[in-house]
Amino acid sequence: NAGVMQNPRHLVRRRGQEARLRCSPMKGHSHVYWYRQLPEEGLKFMVYLQKENIIDESGMPKERFSAEFPKEGPSILRIQQVVRGDSAAYFCASSPFPSGAGNTDTQYFGPGTRLTVL
Amino acid sequence: QQQVKQSPQSLIVQKGGISIINCAYENTAFDYFPWYQQFPGKGPALLIAIRPDVSEKKEGRFTISFNKSAKQFSLHIMDSQPGDSATYFCAASRSYSSASKIIFGSGTRLSIRP
Repeated sequence: NAGVMQNPRHLVRRRGQEARLRCSPMKGHSHVYWYRQLPEEGLKFMVYLQKENIIDESGMPKERFSAEFPKEGPSILRIQQVVRGDSAAYFCASSPFPSGAGNTDTQYFGPGTRLTVL
Repeated sequence: QQQVKQSPQSLIVQKGGISIINCAYENTAFDYFPWYQQFPGKGPALLIAIRPDVSEKKEGRFTISFNKSAKQFSLHIMDSQPGDSATYFCAASRSYSSASKIIFGSGTRLSIRP
């Protein structure tokens, strides 16, 4: 069973460009979470999605950031008009559907996308 | 109330010693407390987790001690090895909540000296 996959692993953007980060959850997982980790800091929750629905976006900046998890395909975190302060590692995590097997509390993290804004 | 406070920020332990990392929380609605281990350039990996209905959980050299009344929990790494050198995050979440996000502590950078 492949783990959570994220791509690209490293992304360099100039100020004002768009960054698009992709996350493919583990097989059978329909809950996706995005976290941001600034250098030397812990992870901060951004958004929680289920297929085609945003469940909790309380950690998302109000502007420039958006996320989706379509019926088919990976979850996408989109950052428009990036600024230097967006430079961070962005981690995606997934967990199983509540009625399925496994511990629904456990989130499995991907390797992250390291975004650098020049 | 959503915070999880973690200490120390960094820790150096001799090989074979005991590493102890402490965390405290405020929100009594939290009922799942995982610890994550993160190596440089990698994502966090679940190490061990506990629920508040038990006071201790042990898996190999790793033990979580949980004090519900004090709202504190700690990670003990026995017989610490150089391969344990990593950043450790305590965390908390609410089970079966529509917003089951994980709240992370600020992390402890552990270095095990040979």
